[in-house]
Amino acid sequence: AQSVTQLGSHVSVSEGALVLLRCNYSSSVPPYLFWYVQYPNQGLQLLLKYTSAATLAKGINGFEAEFKKSETSFHLTKPSAHMSDAAEYFCAVSAYGSGNTGKLIFGQGTTLQVKP
Amino acid sequence: DVKVTQSSRYLVKRTGEKVFLECVQDMDHENMFWYRQDPGLGLRLIYFSYDVKMKEKGDIPEGYSVSREKKERFSLILESASTNQTSMYLCASSPHTGTTEAFFGQGTRLTVV
Repeated sequence: AQSVTQLGSHVSVSEGALVLLRCNYSSSVPPYLFWYVQYPNQGLQLLLKYTSAATLAKGINGFEAEFKKSETSFHLTKPSAHMSDAAEYFCAVSAYGSGNTGKLIFGQGTTLQVKP
Repeated sequence: DVKVTQSSRYLVKRTGEKVFLECVQDMDHENMFWYRQDPGLGLRLIYFSYDVKMKEKGDIPEGYSVSREKKERFSLILESASTNQTSMYLCASSPHTGTTEAFFGQGTRLTVV
C-alpha cells in the first residue's frame, strides 16, 4: 500500500527566499511520485514527476524535487520564491506491479504563502 | 488536448436525494479516480477504477458508489446525500503506466442542504 505525508500544512516565505515543501512517502514497491499545484479557484496541474529515469525531477516555474530512497522523501524546492508561487501544493504517489494498478494517493497539501 | 470533463461545476441538492456526478475523459485512459477535497484534508480518494467494470475502494468510500460501464465514463453516486458530503469533488484519469501523470477535471462543488 502507498501513503504520503506532507509536513507542514502552511509554509510562509519571503519573496526571493528558498522554498522547501516536505513530502515523505511509503510504498511497498518502487514508487512513482508527483507534485501538483492548485492555484485559487483552479484545478490541479502537474508541477513535476519522478519516474525512476533520474533522481532529480525538474518541473515548471523553476521547481525541482529530489527522490531520496534512503529517506523515503521527495521534497519540493525552488531557489527563489516569487509572489505568483502562492498556491496549494500536493505530493502524490502511485505504484504499478506486484498487484498495484496505479492507484494515486495524495498528501494533505501544503499552502505556500509568499510575503513581499 | 487532453480533457477530463465533469458534468457540473456547481450543484445544490437536498438531504436524502440520490446524486449522480459524471466524469468523461477523451484520452482512452484505463484508470479513473474520484476524490473529494476539503480544507486541511487534501485530496482523499473515494473510489478508483482500473478498467471497465473494475473498481477499488479508496480511503473514504462510505456513502458513495461508482459505475464504470464504458471506458471513458466514470460516475460517482451518492445514494442518499447528507450535509457532510458537501465538498469539492474531483475526477481524474491516467493510463496504465506510471510514467504518465493523472489529468484532472475542473471539479464539482456540491452543496447538500
